[in-house]
Amino acid sequence: SQQGEEDPQALSIQEGENATMNCSYKTSINNLQWYRQNSGRGLVHLILIRSNEREKHSGRLRVTLDTSKKSSSLLITASRAADTASYFCATDNAGGTSYGKLTFGQGTILTVHP
Amino acid sequence: KAGVTQTPRYLIKTRGQQVTLSCSPISGHRSVSWYQQTPGQGLQFLFEYFSETQRNKGNFPGRFSGRQFSNSRSEMNVSTLELGDSALYLCASSRTSGRATSYEQYFGPGTRLTVT
Repeated sequence: SQQGEEDPQALSIQEGENATMNCSYKTSINNLQWYRQNSGRGLVHLILIRSNEREKHSGRLRVTLDTSKKSSSLLITASRAADTASYFCATDNAGGTSYGKLTFGQGTILTVHP
Repeated sequence: KAGVTQTPRYLIKTRGQQVTLSCSPISGHRSVSWYQQTPGQGLQFLFEYFSETQRNKGNFPGRFSGRQFSNSRSEMNVSTLELGDSALYLCASSRTSGRATSYEQYFGPGTRLTVT
């Protein structure tokens, strides 16, 4: 079953604009990760934020985590056509057997128009 | 470092057959996880191996099995294929050794399995 719900399901913007995607989850976590997937290929790891962190930056990416609301957001600034992809949040489960298991949201399809 | 590799990249099988997929993790990574991705169910965890031991298993029938070798390479097998097994199968490796998934997982390009 999917733990995460992502919002919006699809996002269409122009190059240079910012893109914000949101993710909600249900259980306590140790960390939350964001991945990108281009057109049915493998997932590319973008950023990991631990449960005791509130915000993290990596290049044009900014991730926030609110454990009290069980939610996270991914902001991509100054988007480029090459950012067109599906974006997934993934969580582990702090309360259960978590070996190697990530639970993924349904993903947000981002389209950046040149 | 070379990334995670998966072979074959594409497979077409018929119902009732079995299939074996292979995954070579990043050098030094001892944890290998497998996922199934379908349009309807999204990304779902199959199982995880560490040091040749299955430590975690998702909610899939016993037709789905796997193993890991001493060099950390992993295989997964699906027996008695069904149409619903058509999916992208992804493996991921991680340097984690602990209980929680404390580190990033690095994914391979996937094997696209089509069952006819």
